[in-house]
Amino acid sequence: ETGVTQSPTHLIKTRGQQVTLRCSSQSGHNTVSWYQQALGQGPQFIFQYYREEENGRGNFPPRFSGLQFPNYSSELNVNALELDDSALYLCASSSTQRTANYGYTFGSGTRLTVV
Amino acid sequence: QKEVEQNSGPLSVPEGAIASLNCTYSDRGSQSFFWYRQYSGKSPELIMSIYSNGDKEDGRFTAQLNKASQYVSLLIRDSQPSDSATYLCAVNTNNFNKFYFGSGTKLNVKP
Repeated sequence: ETGVTQSPTHLIKTRGQQVTLRCSSQSGHNTVSWYQQALGQGPQFIFQYYREEENGRGNFPPRFSGLQFPNYSSELNVNALELDDSALYLCASSSTQRTANYGYTFGSGTRLTVV
Repeated sequence: QKEVEQNSGPLSVPEGAIASLNCTYSDRGSQSFFWYRQYSGKSPELIMSIYSNGDKEDGRFTAQLNKASQYVSLLIRDSQPSDSATYLCAVNTNNFNKFYFGSGTKLNVKP
């Protein structure tokens, strides 16, 4: 069983730019969730995708958007980057039922730095 | 009020001692509770889950849940220096499988 993989591992962007982060789901998982973890904080829920549709969203502005593809891989897009967007971005895939019972398995994350 | 609260620490314990980590949550409808370990610069790793009141043991780890008090704890017996990490408490309210995380407690185990 392959795990959740994220790319790139590190990224540096300039304020105002746009960024796309990628996540390949674990085999057999149709749900992907994205979290943002600022330094010294716990992960914060951004949104979840289930079968290519957004299925729940946290308190993040519309410039955070996502996509899920037929193979269940996913992208997180952030427009008009701000300095406070600097964080570790985590992706977790799951089958809906499994998530509630067993918790997430996170990918290794993408460290985004906005300068 | 935050959904999940943890003492940020650091909590320092000597090698071989018991480390006790605590977490409180605000939503009485919460159903599932998890402890994650996060080493510096790495992603969180699931170490324990608990769903019913009482204790659940897994090796050196024991999770304790008290829904009436809205309290979850993690005990680490025979603490090792390799246990030094930040421990995150997470709660699932069954809302779109969304997890609320605490900000974590940093544990230092001194040799």
